[in-house]
Amino acid sequence: AQTVTQSQPEMSVQEAETVTLSCTYDTSESDYYLFWYKQPPSRQMILVIRQEAYKQQNATENRFSVNFQKAAKSFSLKISDSQLGDAAMYFCAYGGGGADGLTFGKGTHLIIQP
Amino acid sequence: DSGVTQTPKHLITATGQRVTLRCSPRSGDLSVYWYQQSLDQGLQFLIQYYNGEERAKGNILERFSAQQFPDLHSELNLSSLELGDSALYFCASSVGPGQGKNIQYFGAGTRLSVL
Repeated sequence: AQTVTQSQPEMSVQEAETVTLSCTYDTSESDYYLFWYKQPPSRQMILVIRQEAYKQQNATENRFSVNFQKAAKSFSLKISDSQLGDAAMYFCAYGGGGADGLTFGKGTHLIIQP
Repeated sequence: DSGVTQTPKHLITATGQRVTLRCSPRSGDLSVYWYQQSLDQGLQFLIQYYNGEERAKGNILERFSAQQFPDLHSELNLSSLELGDSALYFCASSVGPGQGKNIQYFGAGTRLSVL
């Protein structure tokens, strides 16, 4: 079974600074997808970014980028120019090639200091 | 707004009771997924339906069941409720059956409180 580990229960960053959230995963599959979801206080789960394992290029979405290290099974999220609206729980998730649901990490609570 | 609609937003009930949670997927999406989010277990996948058929099962209890109707909306039925069933229940939908290839869009969730 796949597992996803987020080792940072909480992170704090100053507004406008850069922060990196860590995620590691374990799988025996070669074809899979990795995701970062954001859950603000409204509790809505919002997709931030997706990475396809077969692509070597790291995904980027505006201020959000990932550092995908397939051999190390590491998938970190970098948020540049942090904004107050970025404050939320961030979940790393794994999606395999089959028909099972996503496997989520425990989450990292991100605090933005004004 | 993700386009996935879940009702009700909040549900308060007593132990031993039965409840039904409803989900309408995004227009055009054929897959529906149910997840449970609790403080103890985190976010867990429960079950997936694709075009009316059950496609995958996760950590779903035998007291729980789901179905997807011809109009593609889905219902999650929780019976013989226990205090530990109190959680946030999410529905997500995607276009196709493969959960990695097809992005899952989540509803706002149903908060279930069992007293």
